[in-house]
Amino acid sequence: DAKTTQPNSMESNEEEPVHLPCNHSTISGTDYIHWYRQLPSQGPEYVIHGLTSNVNNRMASLAIAEDRKSSTLILHRATLRDAAVYYCILSSDSGNTPLVFGKGTRLSVIA
Amino acid sequence: DSGVTQTPKHLITATGQRVTLRCSPRSGDLSVYWYQQSLDQGLQFLIQYYNGEERAKGNILERFSAQQFPDLHSELNLSSLELGDSALYFCASSVGSYQPQHFGDGTRLSIL
Repeated sequence: DAKTTQPNSMESNEEEPVHLPCNHSTISGTDYIHWYRQLPSQGPEYVIHGLTSNVNNRMASLAIAEDRKSSTLILHRATLRDAAVYYCILSSDSGNTPLVFGKGTRLSVIA
Repeated sequence: DSGVTQTPKHLITATGQRVTLRCSPRSGDLSVYWYQQSLDQGLQFLIQYYNGEERAKGNILERFSAQQFPDLHSELNLSSLELGDSALYFCASSVGSYQPQHFGDGTRLSIL
């Protein structure tokens, strides 16, 4: 699987939008971009995924660059509960293949 | 609640011992994955089963083994335990192609 690069940590104020970047310059045409997050003392949790177009769900939005070499996870209004490690992962088929986790971005939310 | 159940939540044992970790996947999910999370190595894939058959192997030690039973639950067996095996062990399941993996809350294994 192709490698992703994320900042080690980010900080946000509560109720402000958060933009978490991910670079994946060696992404292949069949790779989907997945985001998972891991809250303290819990297992990773699926957030969102996409291939080419921007995606929205109840948790977040995913903005994918036109060349697909980078993407941004957007939390529209950060809450204290969003403090977690966020992982950007490339996978051609996450349902049938193992996920390769990097170090992720540790998001801190300040009240 | 992800629907994936792992037992036990905590396990404390001594070096040289053998333990079994259990995972019940979400109802209907045929794929089960095991991951290990340690402070120095991060989250690493160990092994995958699909409908009872081994499908993929990652950085799993020879002292470790797993299986998936006909009712789709899975067990991870760790033997001849060493201090370095202390970690969180997560199980994940997936229903099929292009679907997310859903993780349990893990088993924390402490080797004394």
